[in-house]
Amino acid sequence: QVQLVQSGAEVKKPGASVKVSCKASGYTFTSYGISWVRQAPGQGLEWMGWISAYNGNTNYAQKLQGRVTMTTDTSTSTAYMELRSLRSDDTAVYYCARGTGHPFDYWGQGTLVTVSS
Amino acid sequence: QSVLTQPPSVSAAPGQKVTISCSGSSSNIGNNYVSWYQQLPGTAPKLLIYENNKRPSGIPDRFSGSKSGTSATLGITGLQTGDEADYYCGTWDSSLSALVFGGGTKLTVL
Repeated sequence: QVQLVQSGAEVKKPGASVKVSCKASGYTFTSYGISWVRQAPGQGLEWMGWISAYNGNTNYAQKLQGRVTMTTDTSTSTAYMELRSLRSDDTAVYYCARGTGHPFDYWGQGTLVTVSS
Repeated sequence: QSVLTQPPSVSAAPGQKVTISCSGSSSNIGNNYVSWYQQLPGTAPKLLIYENNKRPSGIPDRFSGSKSGTSATLGITGLQTGDEADYYCGTWDSSLSALVFGGGTKLTVL
């Protein structure tokens, strides 16, 4: 069965960087892209961008351009999302999801990233 | 402020039917497929409806989707207490060149 398993919770200081991983199993990793979606506490879903696991092409949300980098390691079927220059409003649960556009048919369990001094 | 507008909350009694609307524009819903997601408390979102009205395997036919013009609707019949969740619509917005979600609707089953 398809599974996306994410890394554990992180606590970071403002200005630091965080890198969240998403390990895929149960399907051919390079046949689908991976998207990242975040959800601030008590708020809705925000799309961050996607990466093609086939050729590494990326498409980032405009508001995160310059601060976010998405990568994949096809040898381990793992996708990564790095967010730099963290601010307090980056505090959120970060989800990976299979696909480069709607619909997102499988989701990771989420990774809480807390930015606090 | 989301480009897709959903009511913040809806409620209905067990066994009843409820609809959740998602209003957009020609740059998003009007020219793209709509998906719907269910997010139970403390869990990741789950795909309920894709391509406006299709259900993934395992999703009961109590859940249905429709689209007309620049609006989409999620319908849930035979409400159960386990349906209490947040529901989100989503689509592509060609003006923003971005995937977008509605603000979410909290369903309460009274």
